[in-house]
Amino acid sequence: GQQLNQSPQSMFIQEGEDVSMNCTSSSIFNTWLWYKQDPGEGPVLLIALYKAGELTSNGRLTAQFGITRKDSFLNISASIPSDVGIYFCAGPSNAGGTSYGKLTFGQGTILTVHP
Amino acid sequence: DAMVIQNPRYQVTQFGKPVTLSCSQTLNHNVMYWYQQKSSQAPKLLFHYYDKDFNNEADTPDNFQSRRPNTSFCFLDIRSPGLGDAAMYLCATSSPDKPNQPQHFGDGTRLSIL
Repeated sequence: GQQLNQSPQSMFIQEGEDVSMNCTSSSIFNTWLWYKQDPGEGPVLLIALYKAGELTSNGRLTAQFGITRKDSFLNISASIPSDVGIYFCAGPSNAGGTSYGKLTFGQGTILTVHP
Repeated sequence: DAMVIQNPRYQVTQFGKPVTLSCSQTLNHNVMYWYQQKSSQAPKLLFHYYDKDFNNEADTPDNFQSRRPNTSFCFLDIRSPGLGDAAMYLCATSSPDKPNQPQHFGDGTRLSIL
């Protein structure tokens, strides 16, 4: 089946630093999703990307849909303590499908921010 | 205005004692999903309903069952919970006629087995 390789697995940073994480796949995707999961909560959608090359921002977060359609990255600028959590990339399990179907998730990036 | 609501948030049961987790949604989405998530891992899909059609994942144990009595509600039944079933269980919804609305998750039920 589809696999998404997400890196890094974990990051320990100081408040105010920028963060970058990425996701790669051996198959092409038509949609890339980035979710954040706070401890004890469900994943919350941060950014959805639908077009190759698309660059989308949501506050301090910026995500890009790679031009090859096989990768995506998420950047967080000027991190704050509430950015702590696990970040997951995801894409449709049917790689050519749309986001309403089953999802394949990356392994997650655990972010710790020291004040 | 929570849209996917899971109850209870925390559930404790005894080894082998059946347990039911519930999920309701106000989004009127066709598709409802149940995931199992163990500590710091990605959610693992157990099964999903597309309207009344049940779709089981190949590696979901028989111990896990689901019911969807109507569009709004979906239940996860664990017939004989083992220690390895302790996890967070997440419900999510989506709709094929809203392709720009990816899966929306509830806050989960954390299940503990004594």
